[in-house]
Amino acid sequence: DAKTTQPPSMDCAEGRAANLPCNHSTISGNEYVYWYRQIHSQGPQYIIHGLKNNETNEMASLIITEDRKSSTLILPHATLRDTAVYYCIVRPLNTGFQKLVFGTGTRLLVSP
Amino acid sequence: EPEVTQTPSHQVTQMGQEVILRCVPISNHLYFYWYRQILGQKVEFLVSFYNNEISEKSEIFDDQFSVERPDGSNFTLKIRSTKLEDSAMYFCASSYTGGGGELFFGEGSRLTVL
Repeated sequence: DAKTTQPPSMDCAEGRAANLPCNHSTISGNEYVYWYRQIHSQGPQYIIHGLKNNETNEMASLIITEDRKSSTLILPHATLRDTAVYYCIVRPLNTGFQKLVFGTGTRLLVSP
Repeated sequence: EPEVTQTPSHQVTQMGQEVILRCVPISNHLYFYWYRQILGQKVEFLVSFYNNEISEKSEIFDDQFSVERPDGSNFTLKIRSTKLEDSAMYFCASSYTGGGGELFFGEGSRLTVL
């Protein structure tokens, strides 16, 4: 089962920042936080991942709390194309293979 | 930008028939995966494949399923005798490394079993 808890849905106005929370209170020291999204029924798309430091790339920023029990994915300027289901996933980095355990995610609706 | 490609995009088959779903992973990737998503449900891991052998498989991946990398580019999922409950979207994925980084997913193959 997924080891994360996310709100089932969120709304965001186009152009505003979308802040998607994730609770992973049982995360272990060797587990990373990954974010993927799924637009409609397309294949999941990698967004970002991190261990304990905040991370930023061209798509998003990831803020992980100091105790690592929760994190927030930030889409700084949401567009209509960011409407998707966002999945927060924790997984050990030192395992050989990427068996991702998807939960139900957060359905983000970006409106004009 | 390199991508994972899957064929067919949609296949309709009769129960009991064999189905082969094909995938072309990103060319320099070494790890290959199949996931599936039944309509309205979660994305589920099926199998991972490395160095020409299965490295891990889920309980879903029973004897009716098999995977193969017949040449240097294709990665296939075979379902020997399809059942109604095999109807789902099947996603192929690949990664360069096994431990970290990102998993690249294809657009999926929708399988409908009648």
